[in-house]
Amino acid sequence: SQTIHQWPATLVQPVGSPLSLECTVEGTSNPNLYWYRQAAGRGLQLLFYSVGIGQISSEVPQNLSASRPQDRQFILSSKKLLLSDSGFYLCAWGDGRTYGYTFGSGTRLTVV
Amino acid sequence: GQQVMQIPQYQHVQEGEDFTTYCNSSTTLSNIQWYKQRPGGHPVFLIQLVKSGEVKKQKRLTFQFGEAKKNSSLHITATQTTDVGTYFCARRNTGGFKTIFGAGTRLFVKA
Repeated sequence: SQTIHQWPATLVQPVGSPLSLECTVEGTSNPNLYWYRQAAGRGLQLLFYSVGIGQISSEVPQNLSASRPQDRQFILSSKKLLLSDSGFYLCAWGDGRTYGYTFGSGTRLTVV
Repeated sequence: GQQVMQIPQYQHVQEGEDFTTYCNSSTTLSNIQWYKQRPGGHPVFLIQLVKSGEVKKQKRLTFQFGEAKKNSSLHITATQTTDVGTYFCARRNTGGFKTIFGAGTRLFVKA
């Protein structure tokens, strides 16, 4: 069966520090991968998605970037965090066909 | 973008009461998905509807897709405390690469 791993679960980072969040998927090949952000008590904002190795589509221009160095690995990065980058970051994978997304357990990022 | 609008934003119910959340679009949808997010958790896919007028049931949950494929609803019969959480509708774009979520309806159930 397919599983998705996301870490760390929580993170507190100072303003101006770098960020790297990693997501890996097991049990499937060539998945569509996604990064969403959720502000406290709010909806899900699509940040990036990737349909293949090295391919990244950005939905919202901002202080973040994404990379997909391997088929089942998706990384979210920032060179310098802003206070507004705080939120709940969720990685997800989907086959783009019949079923919905499977989400990772998320990373709660607090920028202080 | 082609957003989906959800109402209400919040709903407080007494345990045993029914609950309904609605999802509306100004354009015709090719599909609608529903997710549940427990407090502190991540969204979990519940169901996808694709046919006009489609109705699907999962135990106490009933999902409907409107005849015009511009709206959808999720109805919970006789709510339980385990139903607490945020319910999101979402639309997958035609190419299948992106899914756009509504703002969600947060359900509170008082025992």
